[in-house]
Amino acid sequence: DTEVTQTPKHLVMGMTNKKSLKCEQHMGHRAMYWYKQKAKKPPELMFVYSYEKLSINESVPSRFSPECPNSSLLNLHLHALQPEDSALYLCASSQSAGTGGSLNYGYTFGSGTRLTVV
Amino acid sequence: GIQVEQSPPDLILQEGANSTLRCNFSDSVNNLQWFHQNPWGQLINLFYIPSGTKQNGRLSATTVATERYSLLYISSSQTTDSGVYFCAVEDTGRRALTFGSGTRLQVQP
Repeated sequence: DTEVTQTPKHLVMGMTNKKSLKCEQHMGHRAMYWYKQKAKKPPELMFVYSYEKLSINESVPSRFSPECPNSSLLNLHLHALQPEDSALYLCASSQSAGTGGSLNYGYTFGSGTRLTVV
Repeated sequence: GIQVEQSPPDLILQEGANSTLRCNFSDSVNNLQWFHQNPWGQLINLFYIPSGTKQNGRLSATTVATERYSLLYISSSQTTDSGVYFCAVEDTGRRALTFGSGTRLQVQP
């Protein structure tokens, strides 16, 4: 299995809702990442988990709360979002943070969750 | 942090034409990858190429790490090659990929 699976693919939520994005990989990768991508912009890093510990938080607002329950799963809990948080949220994994990824494949990305906040 | 610059920002080609996309980066890197983002947002990994040359069908890539640049060649372009091409690097000090601003490619029939 060489995939990163993200659910749901689309999500519409109100500003008072609580929702979660889910990411799963079974490649034995020990680093997992959340990226945010606005329209016509490149992906921007939000969080990095290395060996299930949060290693990088790019000053993301607290209304975004990451969680890594085990080495295969990564969640992003959303609460009290704003319309400007509407974006494509991408999850990625790599063999190990800080080593450039796996020998031949580097980082693998999921297909993303397209989030709309109304 | 590391700076990643891609050129050109936009490119329009006729089907069958060849093209070269460039990525310059400002510091030493552990990893460099080229991605193609399709209209649905999926980032498709084209090459993992921190150094050297690789080829995959009509695509090839070269990274000259000592001069801090990478090139992606697309030959005999097809309409399905349309989309955004991103170069992304992991520098030695930051344990995550940093993306360039992308090259938006449109291949016309």
